[in-house]
Amino acid sequence: EPEVTQTPSHQVTQMGQEVILRCVPISNHLYFYWYRQILGQKVEFLVSFYNNEISEKSEIFDDQFSVERPDGSNFTLKIRSTKLEDSAMYFCASSSRTGPFDEQYFGPGTRLTVT
Amino acid sequence: AQSVTQLGSHVSVSEGALVLLRCNYSSSVPPYLFWYVQYPNQGLQLLLKYTSAATLVKGINGFEAEFKKSETSFHLTKPSAHMSDAAEYFCAVSERLSNTGKLIFGQGTTLQVKP
Repeated sequence: EPEVTQTPSHQVTQMGQEVILRCVPISNHLYFYWYRQILGQKVEFLVSFYNNEISEKSEIFDDQFSVERPDGSNFTLKIRSTKLEDSAMYFCASSSRTGPFDEQYFGPGTRLTVT
Repeated sequence: AQSVTQLGSHVSVSEGALVLLRCNYSSSVPPYLFWYVQYPNQGLQLLLKYTSAATLVKGINGFEAEFKKSETSFHLTKPSAHMSDAAEYFCAVSERLSNTGKLIFGQGTTLQVKP
């Protein structure tokens, strides 16, 4: 069964460093998402991406964040200068959205720890 | 703005007992509603979804949920808990008029199943 994959599973970085989180969505999907979950808090929407551009972003997704689909398979989230409060589990998801309520398929997540 | 409330961050049941996980949403227009499950070290997996067809929705692994507009609720139930049901459960909504299908999640409920 097709699945969304994410690498790395755990990333430790120092405050101020840049990190890139990588995702490989399901191959025929057209809509891509990043969510995050700070320990003990809700899963929060960060950004959605369609047709090579951001279609919606949350207030969390400020200028420190960017997303890219550099080739036909990868979908990346970059944090330019990490802060302690960026420590969280980051989930990638993808959807075909052939209908308005099609399922989003989630990856296993990348745990980002900023020290 | 849409919001989702899951009552009870931890629920503990005995094996064979009824499982009831509560979810309430706030929206003037009934949204699309979803329940996701997360097993340790895995991504979120869709259990079931409500898209305005039948109000009682059946999902995988014997779970079902009932949409009650008057109560703005979408509680998840299973008649008889198995040890393998121990996981974290997330209720989520998606606005009907959303162009992106972004999900808004509840806080999550950890289900413990005792032998």
